[in-house]
Amino acid sequence: QQQVKQSPQSLIVQKGGIPIINCAYENTAFDYFPWYQQFPGKGPALLIAIRPDVSEKKEGRFTISFNKSAKQFSLHIMDSQPGDSATYFCAARANNAGNMLTFGGGTRLMVKP
Amino acid sequence: KAGVTQTPRYLIKTRGQQVTLSCSPISGHRSVSWYQQTPGQGLQFLFEYFSETQRNKGNFPGRFSGRQFSNSRSEMNVSTLELGDSALYLCASSLGTLAGGRRSPDTQYFGPGTRLTVL
Repeated sequence: QQQVKQSPQSLIVQKGGIPIINCAYENTAFDYFPWYQQFPGKGPALLIAIRPDVSEKKEGRFTISFNKSAKQFSLHIMDSQPGDSATYFCAARANNAGNMLTFGGGTRLMVKP
Repeated sequence: KAGVTQTPRYLIKTRGQQVTLSCSPISGHRSVSWYQQTPGQGLQFLFEYFSETQRNKGNFPGRFSGRQFSNSRSEMNVSTLELGDSALYLCASSLGTLAGGRRSPDTQYFGPGTRLTVL
């Protein structure tokens, strides 16, 4: 059972555009929501993370928006660059599950020059 | 500070064989988690070890096992390999510390993975 649903599966934007990746979850025990970026041949790297007690968090060009009532969260990449082309994963961790992360299916982003 | 290292990086095995993968966490990190990444199933949690004890386990058959040593290094083993075990196996390390009685989210740092191909 997929507990974190991520969309879209792929996304193409022009340089400077603002790609938006959405995730939805069902498990109300989730209390930590990180986003990871993965380049080919590399392991995922943490981009930004949010707890459900805030509705938005911004780090550099990356912003997470969080809607607790709808059980949805999204990643916005401002002023996207070709170097942002990668696969992005949302994830969630339950408050009683140690470090176990449940990942979304991933979004392959291509930023065209 | 050196990152998470995994060995070997690539491995080719045949069905029925067994395989052992190794992970060295970042110095000072005591928690090691393993994930399987495939195109079809995405990233799936296998298990987490903390202070040589398995703390969590994902929904994988008993053919998948792991252990952690006193220096926090971890190994995972897959016995009786099947074609469907072909995947990128990722190890992630974190501090694994508690904070004020309530666990704070631990940032997990992933290694580059071991690409296992089962023929």
